[in-house]
Parts: sequence; structure tokens; C-alpha cells
Amino acid sequence: DAGVTQSPTHLIKTRGQQVTLRCSPKSGHDTVSWYQQALGQGPQFIFQYYEEEERQRGNFPDRFSGHQYPNYSSELNVNALLLGDSALYLCASRARGAGANVLTFGAGSRLTVL
Amino acid sequence: QKEVEQDPGPLSVPEGAIVSLNCTYSNSAFQYFMWYRQYSRKGPELLMYTYSSGNKEDGRFTAQVDKSSKYISLFIRDSQPSDSATYLCAMGVTGGGNKLTFGTGTQLKVEL
Repeated sequence: DAGVTQSPTHLIKTRGQQVTLRCSPKSGHDTVSWYQQALGQGPQFIFQYYEEEERQRGNFPDRFSGHQYPNYSSELNVNALLLGDSALYLCASRARGAGANVLTFGAGSRLTVL
Repeated sequence: QKEVEQDPGPLSVPEGAIVSLNCTYSNSAFQYFMWYRQYSRKGPELLMYTYSSGNKEDGRFTAQVDKSSKYISLFIRDSQPSDSATYLCAMGVTGGGNKLTFGTGTQLKVEL
């Protein structure tokens, strides 16, 4: 079982650019969420996708958007990058019918904005 | 004030010690409580999950929840160097989907 896989693992962008991060959920999982983890901080919830729709959103601006495909994989897009967007971006998935909030996390994509 | 407070450490203990990690929270709506372990350059890994006050034990790990005091703890017995990691508490509400609120994490180092 490959678990939750994310790509790319590392990337460097400059201010104002756009970035797309990708996530494949664990086999059998259909709900995907994205979290942002700044250095020395806990993860912060960005949004959740289920059945290809955004179902819940945290306190993040519209520059952060996402998509979920029919195979349950997901993308996180961030436009007009700011220095403060530098962080580890984590994808998490949940099993169908699993108890609430029991998530499996990927290893993350580390974004550096210069 | 943050919804979840956690001492960031770092915490350094000798091998074999009992480790106590703690979080406090302010939101009474939290009903699910979790502890995650995060190794360097890795994603968080679920260690313990509980939704009621009291104790839950799994091997060397014991999770304790006191909803009346809004306080949760994780105890690690017979700590090993392989336990060296950052420990994150996380909490959720019923119907909250995948939204968890995390503490800042406590960095633990178990030394030989």
C-alpha cells in the first residue's frame, strides 16, 4: 500500500508566481484535505474535497484553490505567491466510512518562495 | 489566544524515561482528540485517537483526556531513541469532516 503520495517533494518559486501541488490519496480513501505547516508550527487546515467539490474551507484567501478528480486525486493551486506561503503542504485522506477525523497524511511538498 | 496550546519544547530525556506531553484547549466543541508523531521531513503519523474523557492505552503509549479541564496528555513509557520526533496534538468537532486543529508540536529527543 503506497499510502498518500505527494509531488513534488520540494520546489522553489519566486514571489508572484503560481504553484500546483499534487496528491494521490491512500487506496480506498475518497476524501482529501490540504494543510499548510509553517516552520515550527502545527498544520493548519486549508480545505477539504469530497466528490470533486470543496466541502469545507479554513481561513485561507482565495489565492488558494483546489481540485479533485474522479479518481480522488487532488491538486492544490496557490496564485500570486507571497514569502509567507513558504511552508510544508500536507495532503491527508480519509477512508470511506471511517470514523471522523482519522486521517492519513502524506510526506508533504516543501515550498520555498524567494 | 490560540484554540490549542502546546509547549514547543524542545524536551530532552534519557532512554527509558517516562515522557509526559500536554495540550490545553479553549473550544468546548472539540470532541475528538488525537496525537500525531512527525519525524523530520515526514508527514504526521497518527498515534492515538480518542473521543471521550479518560485513559486509552496502546503499548508504551497512554492518551489521557480531561474534558472538564480542557486538557489532554500523552504518556510514553520506557522511551526509546526512536521516539525522538515532534509530537502534535490535534482536535476535531463532530461533523467537522477532515478539519483538525493542531497544537504547535513538542519536539522530543530521547538520548542514549
